[in-house]
Amino acid sequence: GAVVSQHPSWVICKSGTSVKIECRSLDFQATTMFWYRQFPKQSLMLMATSNEGSKATYEQGVEKDKFLINHASLTLSTLTVTSAHPEDSSFYICSARIRDYRFFGPGTRLTVL
Amino acid sequence: AQTVTQSQPEMSVQEAETVTLSCTYDTSESDYYLFWYKQPPSRQMILVIRQEAYKQQNATENRFSVNFQKAAKSFSLKISDSQLGDAAMYFCALRKYSGGGADGLTFGKGTHLIIQP
Repeated sequence: GAVVSQHPSWVICKSGTSVKIECRSLDFQATTMFWYRQFPKQSLMLMATSNEGSKATYEQGVEKDKFLINHASLTLSTLTVTSAHPEDSSFYICSARIRDYRFFGPGTRLTVL
Repeated sequence: AQTVTQSQPEMSVQEAETVTLSCTYDTSESDYYLFWYKQPPSRQMILVIRQEAYKQQNATENRFSVNFQKAAKSFSLKISDSQLGDAAMYFCALRKYSGGGADGLTFGKGTHLIIQP
């Protein structure tokens, strides 16, 4: 089956720094990737939709200047959390689209001190 | 806007028994997809089963089956012969069908399934 990887799997950073999370589709090309956020014991919330070669589409309430998304190739999308604060601590999950299916990465746990 | 509601925060079932997880949803779309995902402690999301709204026949995947009631906007998951490996968070999700197929999923809050040995 299709494999999606995320790197890093976990990261701890200081408040005010920026953190980049990578999402890769390993054995297929994904024209669309999705970024979700999951707080502890809660559901996944769609943050943005990332299309290769174009600007990401952000869900209502998600700050596009805070969460920078770049989808520069058909196999890589990146999410950069800029000037991270403790309230940004969460589990970030990406999902890649191939035809009518979605495959999820293993997630990245971000802890901001 | 579309919403997905899972009213059971936690369910418990004896190993080898059958359990049903509930899900209701709301959407203004006529064409859409419904999903059940499993999230074990590893946090990796695993697709359990999916249903196209235009199909009247309920989807089945081995021990997993759904009861899809389109008029009632209900989409429950039945797990037969429960196994210890079924223990996980289960999320019901909805995606509208659009021409481009590039829509994200709307998830419910999840049901924590406990399997009693």
